[in-house]
Amino acid sequence: AQTVTQSQPEMSVQEAETVTLSCTYDTSENNYYLFWYKQPPSRQMILVIRQEAYKQQNATENRFSVNFQKAAKSFSLKISDSQLGDTAMYFCAFMKHLGYGNKLVFGAGTILRVKS
Amino acid sequence: DTGVSQNPRHKITKRGQNVTFRCDPISEHNRLYWYRQTLGQGPEFLTYFQNEAQLEKSRLLSDRFSAERPKGSFSTLEIQRTEQGDSAMYLCASSLRELAGEDTQYFGPGTRLTVL
Repeated sequence: AQTVTQSQPEMSVQEAETVTLSCTYDTSENNYYLFWYKQPPSRQMILVIRQEAYKQQNATENRFSVNFQKAAKSFSLKISDSQLGDTAMYFCAFMKHLGYGNKLVFGAGTILRVKS
Repeated sequence: DTGVSQNPRHKITKRGQNVTFRCDPISEHNRLYWYRQTLGQGPEFLTYFQNEAQLEKSRLLSDRFSAERPKGSFSTLEIQRTEQGDSAMYLCASSLRELAGEDTQYFGPGTRLTVL
């Protein structure tokens, strides 16, 4: 069964600094997608970044980038130049293929607090 | 392009009552998903529709739960004879499956259910 593990329940970072959130996953599939979603307090889940497993190049979206290590089944998120608006719960998710579709398997999340 | 919308945003009900939630996906998205999220946890998959067909149901979806997507557009999730353990945030997501696409899911704001 696919599982996603986020080992850091909470993280803090000073504004303008860089922080890395960890995620490991377990799967026997060879081609798959990984995602990071952000859920601000009392607000909806927003897609941050996605990675296709067959692409060796790490995905980047502005201040957000990933370190994807397929062999190690690791998918960490780096946030550069942290901003107060980055304060949120961050979820790592693995896209599991179903017979006729997909579903997301989420980790337990990491609460990130950006301090001024 | 409007996002995924869900109604109501909050629902308080007494144990034993029936409740129904509605989800309107992003227009032209052919796939729709329901997830349940309890406090401090990541979302858990409940069920998935492709157009009007319900193609996958989680074991979390007991026989008190039923979901429909009658015309392949909006969806409803009904919980009969609610129990206190049903208290959670119910999230809806939609995606557009393209031939070579990554099938990224976009989430709505959720319906928070409180069963007294």
